[in-house]
Amino acid sequence: DSGVTQTPKHLITATGQRVTLRCSPRSGDLSVYWYQQSLDQGLQFLIQYYNGEERAKGNILERFSAQQFPDLHSELNLSSLELGDSALYFCASSLGQGVHGYTFGSGTRLTVV
Amino acid sequence: AQKVTQAQTEISVVEKEDVTLDCVYETRDTTYYLFWYKQPPSGELVFLIRRNSFDEQNEISGRYSWNFQKSTSSFNFTITASQVVDSAVYFCALSEKAGTALIFGKGTTLSVSS
Repeated sequence: DSGVTQTPKHLITATGQRVTLRCSPRSGDLSVYWYQQSLDQGLQFLIQYYNGEERAKGNILERFSAQQFPDLHSELNLSSLELGDSALYFCASSLGQGVHGYTFGSGTRLTVV
Repeated sequence: AQKVTQAQTEISVVEKEDVTLDCVYETRDTTYYLFWYKQPPSGELVFLIRRNSFDEQNEISGRYSWNFQKSTSSFNFTITASQVVDSAVYFCALSEKAGTALIFGKGTTLSVSS
């Protein structure tokens, strides 16, 4: 157990639907990062939050949004889902300074049918 | 802009062979961090090593070793006497500043047969 908890582990949904992925960071970590891993694009950075505030954006689609709550857990919302959104979504956390590295959750596998 | 290139998409070896996975990075910063992660078939990302840009010493951990050369912007990973359990996708990654996101290479799929 890495200390980063992602739920659900698997999700199957239809095109056009909306889903929410949840991430609880390791205790004491202030930063949360979301990544998408698809077969053709590899591991792509989506967005980072630090202590409740958006810190950096990567290749996140406008149909996707995220937030980090006061208890530091984070949610990634994916809407108007397309077949191409099928991927493994990882959450990682770090203390914020990055010196001690990044801890990854086990991922949520999203299948859009 | 930062970039990580893993030119080897797939490598196949037979058990006990040595194998080197290449990683070339690009960054404008003088302070940065390099990482290697392993992703076994089960899917989780397993941290292997972190190296900061000021530490060019090579590192050895059991059968694993890493060669960091700033002159060629490379951070290569060697597995000695490979085993079937080493079969996985290996990712090299870079963060330019502490606390910023990791940027990953496309990964190298290593298959070790018995």
